[in-house]
This record gives sequence, C-alpha cells and structure tokens, in this order.
Amino acid sequence: DSGVTQTPKHLITATGQRVTLRCSPRSGDLSVYWYQQSLDQGLQFLIQYYNGEERAKGNILERFSAQQFPDLHSELNLSSLELGDSALYFCASSDLTGGLGTDTQYFGPGTRLTVL
Amino acid sequence: GENVEQHPSTLSVQEGDSAVIKCTYSDSASNYFPWYKQELGKRPQLIIDIRSNVGEKKDQRIAVTLNKTAKHFSLHITETQPEDSAVYFCAASLTGRRALTFGSGTRLQVQP
Repeated sequence: DSGVTQTPKHLITATGQRVTLRCSPRSGDLSVYWYQQSLDQGLQFLIQYYNGEERAKGNILERFSAQQFPDLHSELNLSSLELGDSALYFCASSDLTGGLGTDTQYFGPGTRLTVL
Repeated sequence: GENVEQHPSTLSVQEGDSAVIKCTYSDSASNYFPWYKQELGKRPQLIIDIRSNVGEKKDQRIAVTLNKTAKHFSLHITETQPEDSAVYFCAASLTGRRALTFGSGTRLQVQP
C-alpha cells in the first residue's frame, strides 16, 4: 500500500457525460500528479499540482481539468466524455520539499473509467 | 523537455536467466532515474532508483546502472522468476524542477 488513495475504483458512464476522480496523497506529500493509461499503453502525464498550485502540464485535453484543495487532495474532472477517454487514471504523490528522495512518486491504485 | 526512450518493448526469458532493459534520456540535467514495475491492472510500484552521483545500485536480484556521459541507464534482473513477469517503466526527472518523464514500458515475460 503506497498511502495514496483514489476513488472511485471503477466508473462506467456514457459519452457526453462528466465525471470527477478523486485522489488523496500520502500524508505529508505536497505534490500530486495525474496520469492516463490506455489499454496496453504507457503512462501519459496529464498535470501536476504542488501545494494547491498548478506546477506542470502534460498532454491534458481542454475537456479535462484538475485542482488541488487546501487539504491537498486533488480532483480530476473529465467532461464531454468520448469513447477514447476509457482508460486507467492514476494519481501519484511526492514530497518535493527539495531534499534527497523527495521527488519519488508513489502511485494510487487507479480509477478505471469506461465510457460506453 | 525531457524525452525517455526504452528498449525493448517486449522481452521473453527463461526462468533463471537474466533480463536487461535499457533507457536513454535526452536532458543531461536529469539527475533522478527510478524504475517501476506494473503488474496487470495494478499500480506502478517503485522497485529501485538511482541518482546521478552514483553509477550503480543493487538490491538483491535487481541492479541499475547509469552512464551519464552516454545518457543511458539500465535495469538488470538476475535469476528471473515467473513473478517478475510484468511491465517495467523507466523514468527520469530533475529533482525539484521537473516531474518524471516515463519511458514507454517493457513487457517482461518469464517462462517457467
């Protein structure tokens, strides 16, 4: 168990709908990352937050958005869903306070999104 | 930005043999190189990592080597076992400045 939690575990929805995925980082970790993993594909970096502020952006679609709240949990919002958005969405967290080892990322169990 | 290339994409070995997975990175400033193992449907899990101030690190049957001049690093698994079968991802980052960039993954199959 990495200490990173994600809810829900599974999500089934229809095209055109909107969903919210939630992530709670490890205790003490300030940074949260979101990744998308399609079937048999690699890990596509979407976005990173650090202590409530957006830190880096990857291949995130305009239909997707995220935020990190004062308690450091994060939510990933996916709207106008398409069939191709079906994937595993992982959240990871790291300390990032600057010391050695603080950039190691620990992954949550993922949310499997199925768009029908 | 950083670009990480990983080879091979698939690797099949016999139980007891060694397996080697190689990665190259583009940004010479990168200084942190972790390896993750992902079993089917599960989360990627850190198995070993190395920083740019060392050339090799070993943990039981797993070792990682780093060649900063050539900008490549490798994962070595000795005495492979069926439970080593998984997808392995390499990654590179610049501590405190740039998040991990992942390679495309290597599917390792260990035949009993």
